[in-house]
Amino acid sequence: DVKVTQSSRYLVKRTGEKVFLECVQDMDHENMFWYRQDPGLGLRLIYFSYDVKMKEKGDIPEGYSVSREKKERFSLILESASTNQTSMYLCASTGQFTDTQYFGPGTRLTVL
Amino acid sequence: AQTVTQSQPEMSVQEAETVTLSCTYDTSESDYYLFWYKQPPSRQMILVIRQEAYKQQNATENRFSVNFQKAAKSFSLKISDSQLGDAAMYFCAYRGLLYGGSQGNLIFGKGTKLSVKP
Repeated sequence: DVKVTQSSRYLVKRTGEKVFLECVQDMDHENMFWYRQDPGLGLRLIYFSYDVKMKEKGDIPEGYSVSREKKERFSLILESASTNQTSMYLCASTGQFTDTQYFGPGTRLTVL
Repeated sequence: AQTVTQSQPEMSVQEAETVTLSCTYDTSESDYYLFWYKQPPSRQMILVIRQEAYKQQNATENRFSVNFQKAAKSFSLKISDSQLGDAAMYFCAYRGLLYGGSQGNLIFGKGTKLSVKP
């Protein structure tokens, strides 16, 4: 079975802090994704990566950056957290020639 | 650009009964994939069912089945014999046929929250 893990289930940070959200997958998938989930808005794509050191902006990249130094790990970075970044963050991965995305358990981030 | 619409923000069903969740989409492509994902309160998104648009036969997975109407661009999910464990958010998603770059990205609807009454 594909396993996607995220570093924290719950995270509380202060405004202005730098925040790292980590995602690791164990299926040698090329593609990895970061989504933000908010009530009534569904899932919105923040960034994705289709190879090591490659990254592409999604629909809502403002205020975020990403890092992919190793194939299995995709990090989401909030350089200076703000209260409007309080949300659920979901990581997903998929193989280069597969159509199904596999999701991690999510991180609920609260910025005070 | 492709869009996915779930017109029912919330639905409710009695245990053991059948419920249908609606999803419509817009695309100019002729071949693509469609998905239903389930997100229970535990938050783990789980693939429920997957449909390849070039296959006419509706996909089924145990108590879950879809009604895929390609011409109408409709992809509804039917849950038979509903169980308490079916209570969750359900997301409909679209994916193009091609691979590489952003072509593999999923486009999600806003979700339908399903409640199951005992």
